Amino acid sequence: DIQMTQSPSPLSASVGDRVTITCRASQNINRWLAWYQEKPGKAPNLLIYKASSLESGVPSRFSGSGSGTEFTLTISSLQPDDFATYYCQQYNTYPITFGQGTRLEIK
Amino acid sequence: EVQLVESGGGLVQPGRSLRLSCTTSGFTFGDYAVNWVRQAPGKGLEWLGFIRSEAYGGTTEYAASVKGTFTISRDNSESIAYLQLNSLKTEDTALYYCTRANTGNYAGHFDYWGQGTLVTVSS
Repeated sequence: DIQMTQSPSPLSASVGDRVTITCRASQNINRWLAWYQEKPGKAPNLLIYKASSLESGVPSRFSGSGSGTEFTLTISSLQPDDFATYYCQQYNTYPITFGQGTRLEIK
Repeated sequence: EVQLVESGGGLVQPGRSLRLSCTTSGFTFGDYAVNWVRQAPGKGLEWLGFIRSEAYGGTTEYAASVKGTFTISRDNSESIAYLQLNSLKTEDTALYYCTRANTGNYAGHFDYWGQGTLVTVSS
């Protein structure tokens, strides 16, 4: 199975900060990577797919990059609504696997 | 509006079975693959498996951890997907989500999720 490792976790930041979360795959997954945001008591919400494509309706402060084994999710200017847990997911190879999650906390 | 609504969760004894339903609306169900994902209390996301669309034969793929004990099926006429859980263990306690894949043939990324249904396995 492909292991997905996220860092850092947790991540402490302030409103207005630029933050980056990294996701590393144990094997090449090309660009078949998605990012999700999860808030307490709610289902995860798709932010980014195919490494860098922004899902419709997601604010443009979110962006993704990378290919192969290393990927990043960047939030350009943190808003209060962004404090949540973020997961990466590879869909290059079965079984589909997720990272362990990065909890983004208020500093 | 695309909607997925899970149901069928509850408290069940170890060794028993349960069938979860994912009732959908707002899109052409038969054109899309459906995945099942679970989240144990306080833990991360675990993919369980998926079922391809009608055009791709409705075939399935499973995670090794559930292959042989969990079964995914679909009723395209009713726009419902199912997850049959057999031989349940306490470690199967989790919130179970169904998700829509962005494609009919691959598990893909998950553009819509249900709200989840809680399964608690305990004696």
